[in-house]
Amino acid sequence: SQQGEEDPQALSIQEGENATMNCSYKTSINNLQWYRQNSGRGLVHLILIRSNEREKHSGRLRVTLDTSKKSSSLLITASRAADTASYFCATQGGSEKLVFGKGTKLTVNP
Amino acid sequence: GAGVSQTPSNKVTEKGKYVELRCDPISGHTALYWYRQSLGQGPEFLIYFQGTGAADDSGLPNDRFFAVRPEGSVSTLKIQRTERGDSAVYLCASSLDGYLTDTQYFGPGTRLTVL
Repeated sequence: SQQGEEDPQALSIQEGENATMNCSYKTSINNLQWYRQNSGRGLVHLILIRSNEREKHSGRLRVTLDTSKKSSSLLITASRAADTASYFCATQGGSEKLVFGKGTKLTVNP
Repeated sequence: GAGVSQTPSNKVTEKGKYVELRCDPISGHTALYWYRQSLGQGPEFLIYFQGTGAADDSGLPNDRFFAVRPEGSVSTLKIQRTERGDSAVYLCASSLDGYLTDTQYFGPGTRLTVL
């Protein structure tokens, strides 16, 4: 079963705009991670935020975590056509397995 | 360095047949994971190995699915009596030590189609 729900399911923006994706989850977590997937394959780890952290940055990525609301957001600033992909949040609770959401499909138009 | 590799990249089989999917983790990674991804969904956990032993196989859907990692490196996912519902992309990942917060590095996947 899937833990997370990403919102929106699909997002289409112009190059240079910011993209925001949200993730909600159901149970308590140790950490939450965001992954990118191109063409239905090749998941790439983007960023990890621990349950005791509220915000984290990596390059053009900004992740927030609100454990009281069981939600996270991923912001991609100054988007590029190469950012076109599906983005998944994944949580880890008491075990090493990742529990993924259904993903947000992002299209960045040149 | 080389990433996680999976073979074959595509596998087409008939209902009722047996299939084996192979995963070569990153050299030196002790933890190995199998996930399954159906169309339009996120990956779902199947099994996790720490070294040669299955530390968590709670995601295997039924006893038709089995995985091994006899020497603590390469792993094989075995599916008996395949069903059309087994069609999916099977993803393998590895991490250095298997600790929580260790990054899991994913392979390109094997797309299994059961006719």
